[in-house]
Amino acid sequence: DTAVSQTPKYLVTQMGNDKSIKCEQNLGHDTMYWYKQDSKKFLKIMFSYNNKELIINETVPNRFSPKSPDKAHLNLHINSLELGDSAVYFCASSPLAGDVTDTQYFGPGTRLTVL
Amino acid sequence: GQNIDQPTEMTATEGAIVQINCTYQTSGFNGLFWYQQHAGEAPTFLSYNVLDGLEEKGRFSSFLSRSKGYSYLLLKELQMKDSASYLCAAMDSNYQLIWGAGTKLIIKP
Repeated sequence: DTAVSQTPKYLVTQMGNDKSIKCEQNLGHDTMYWYKQDSKKFLKIMFSYNNKELIINETVPNRFSPKSPDKAHLNLHINSLELGDSAVYFCASSPLAGDVTDTQYFGPGTRLTVL
Repeated sequence: GQNIDQPTEMTATEGAIVQINCTYQTSGFNGLFWYQQHAGEAPTFLSYNVLDGLEEKGRFSSFLSRSKGYSYLLLKELQMKDSASYLCAAMDSNYQLIWGAGTKLIIKP
């Protein structure tokens, strides 16, 4: 059973389009995250979210918005896609926000290419 | 500001030992993580240190010095499958992970 899953694995789209990436975790975790990993392999946190709080990295453009229909899902919606949005996007989850021993479990990643 | 520094790339020989260093500066500190990431795959958890000293886990060990803002990951008896990027991440006072850019480790026969 996959612990953290993402769909799609690959996404190729045109500039200006709107797209969504879905993430689901079946670990019963309280906190979920979205990361962007660019061509230099640097992981940048975009959002962290639990039942109570959404924490947004202020450098993330407001074209990006997380949507959580329930505790097990955190989808990433992107409006008006730009060339610079091309990257691999990772979803992750961890058991409990604020637990200092919290390990994050990553999904397989979604490679987004904007043409 | 918050910052994580680690070497961009290292090369080592199969069967040998390699040490990957990481220095960090964060607002508060709640622990230091190491993750392994193979090319095209997701990061996977390797270790967590919050107290000074060495934590050993099989072929991999991780060390932390809080006073120096320094950690290292030690890999022994290197195998070809250890070729990967190793990501250092420090948890700040808000329990947010600050990630390094990763060290690409190349293992040669």
